[in-house]
Amino acid sequence: AQKITQTQPGMFVQEKEAVTLDCTYDTSDPSYGLFWYKQPSSGEMIFLIYQGSYDQQNATEGRYSLNFQKARKSANLVISASQLGDSAMYFCAMREGHQGAQKLVFGQGTRLTINP
Amino acid sequence: DVKVTQSSRYLVKRTGEKVFLECVQDMDHENMFWYRQDPGLGLRLIYFSYDVKMKEKGDIPEGYSVSREKKERFSLILESASTNQTSMYLCASSLAGGQDTQYFGPGTRLTVL
Repeated sequence: AQKITQTQPGMFVQEKEAVTLDCTYDTSDPSYGLFWYKQPSSGEMIFLIYQGSYDQQNATEGRYSLNFQKARKSANLVISASQLGDSAMYFCAMREGHQGAQKLVFGQGTRLTINP
Repeated sequence: DVKVTQSSRYLVKRTGEKVFLECVQDMDHENMFWYRQDPGLGLRLIYFSYDVKMKEKGDIPEGYSVSREKKERFSLILESASTNQTSMYLCASSLAGGQDTQYFGPGTRLTVL
């Protein structure tokens, strides 16, 4: 079974609009972390934002926020006031547990295109 | 500033060749990882290492091996390259404990002919 599901293969958004990228996850571990990465056409994976399973508040980093709904097992990324430079692949990832070297499991990604 | 470097951005090899992909991090991270990325499949973990000379298999280790002789360097080895190993290879590192955010290198696009 998929541990991380991103149901939107591609999204097209007008510049300056807000955009929500969906991510649902599946785990029975009470301790886990959720990450979002951005991958521009250059190929490098850029860390955007992190949410821990015990964090009470939704994570925010500048124009990025994470809409964490624990009961629904969803961790959607919200980008406010989108810019042309936001066009990229976006990956949601999950880390389970809290001991040892922590592996990440990635979703298939969503390709976001910002139109001028 | 965090820095993970990979030895090549693009590499073309022939079937049957032995291929070395090198990854170096300057952040004194304990953990290092090798992934491959293919369209529609996201990133899949090949091998990882949580200490010098230690290694563990990821989800798709077949056809690969790794070496970690020094803390900052993690090498991925394709003993006998095959066309189905044509892919983008990404290296990452992370600090042990805490948030465990992984920081990635720029990737190596390997083509096996």
